[in-house]
Amino acid sequence: DVKVTQSSRYLVKRTGEKVFLECVQDMDHENMFWYRQDPGLGLRLIYFSYDVKMKEKGDIPEGYSVSREKKERFSLILESASTNQTSMYLCATTQGQRQETQYFGPGTRLLVL
Amino acid sequence: GESVGLHLPTLSVQEGDNSIINCAYSNSASDYFIWYKQESGKGPQFIIDIRSNMDKRQGQRVTVLLNKTVKHLSLQIAATQPGDSAVYFCAEKSKTSYDKVIFGPGTSLSVIP
Repeated sequence: DVKVTQSSRYLVKRTGEKVFLECVQDMDHENMFWYRQDPGLGLRLIYFSYDVKMKEKGDIPEGYSVSREKKERFSLILESASTNQTSMYLCATTQGQRQETQYFGPGTRLLVL
Repeated sequence: GESVGLHLPTLSVQEGDNSIINCAYSNSASDYFIWYKQESGKGPQFIIDIRSNMDKRQGQRVTVLLNKTVKHLSLQIAATQPGDSAVYFCAEKSKTSYDKVIFGPGTSLSVIP
């Protein structure tokens, strides 16, 4: 079974803080994704990566950056957290371009005060 | 633009009854559709998928129906159980979007014992 883990289940940060959300997968999957999930809006893609050191903007990249230094790890960075970034953050992976099923982590619920 | 939506945001069914969750999509180029289940406090979990060359696909207690003429997707759950209570998302993907999946806002299914 694919296992996708996220570093924290709950985080509370203050406005202006730099925030790191970590995602690790153990199945050697090529593609990794970061979404945020908000009531009524569903899942929205922030960034994705299809290889080490590669990254692509999703639909809502503003205020975020990512890092993929190793294949198994994909980090989401909030350079200066704002209250409108309070959300559930979900990491997902797929094996490759033809493997379309996304495997999700448990999510990190971030509260920015 | 592309969009995936659900007809009903909430659905309550009696235990043992069949559940039907509906989804509309607008992108004619979408050729792959997925249903996810998300339980409270967890990440979305893959349930079943279907490609555009199929009309129906069955899994264990679940069936997905695809009507390309009216761009409609449905998930049928047979003999609904309390453990089926969750939010269900439909998602679509097209060949033109590299591993980019568009999710609907979700339907909350509540099973009444």
